Amino acid sequence: AQSVSQHNHHVILSEAASLELGCNYSYGGTVNLFWYVQYPGQHLQLLLKYFSGDPLVKGIKGFEAEFIKSKFSFNLRKPSVQWSDTAEYFCAVNPLNTGFQKLVFGTGTRLLVSP
Amino acid sequence: DAGITQSPRHKVTETGTPVTLRCHQTENHRYMYWYRQDPGHGLRLIHYSYGVKDTDKGEVSDGYSVSRSKTEDFLLTLESATSSQTSVYFCAISESRGQGPYEQYFGPGTRLTVT
Repeated sequence: AQSVSQHNHHVILSEAASLELGCNYSYGGTVNLFWYVQYPGQHLQLLLKYFSGDPLVKGIKGFEAEFIKSKFSFNLRKPSVQWSDTAEYFCAVNPLNTGFQKLVFGTGTRLLVSP
Repeated sequence: DAGITQSPRHKVTETGTPVTLRCHQTENHRYMYWYRQDPGHGLRLIHYSYGVKDTDKGEVSDGYSVSRSKTEDFLLTLESATSSQTSVYFCAISESRGQGPYEQYFGPGTRLTVT
């Protein structure tokens, strides 16, 4: 079945460590890609998005993601995390052949940054 | 933040009772969505709307119905609540003007507990 996979369910890092969260999808064809973040007790907010052009996308708060089409991946990175990055991160894919603005979400990665 | 409100924000109800959740937007966006968020499942689409009185099912629509009589309001109804519908429900909106991708903006969520 077509899906979005986030293999890291829980990640624990110390402040200043580098972060990479994996996201793989199984949809063929053209896709739009998103990373959302959910801080404790809050709603989802967009970190960054990709639809064409430079496969390295920069988002808010120092986050970036790289689209590797051959690997069906869209991994999220940050060179140095802060305690305030503690949150749950969701990858989402919009398969453009679905006929409407459908987002399929991964199961999320819960990040805990210790001070 | 996008102008999206959800009501109620918290609700506890008994099995077998009907429940209606309301999503209200002030952005005049065409598309509206209802998701549920459960641990280990991420966000799953329940129903969506692509205009007034135009709705369709998502991946987990059983036991839910929706209505959209005005652009700004999208109602989610549980006809007869079950314990498996205990969840956090998020409303989202998006628009399709201009060049994509068309990110979705999320409301603050409704925590529903069915006892």
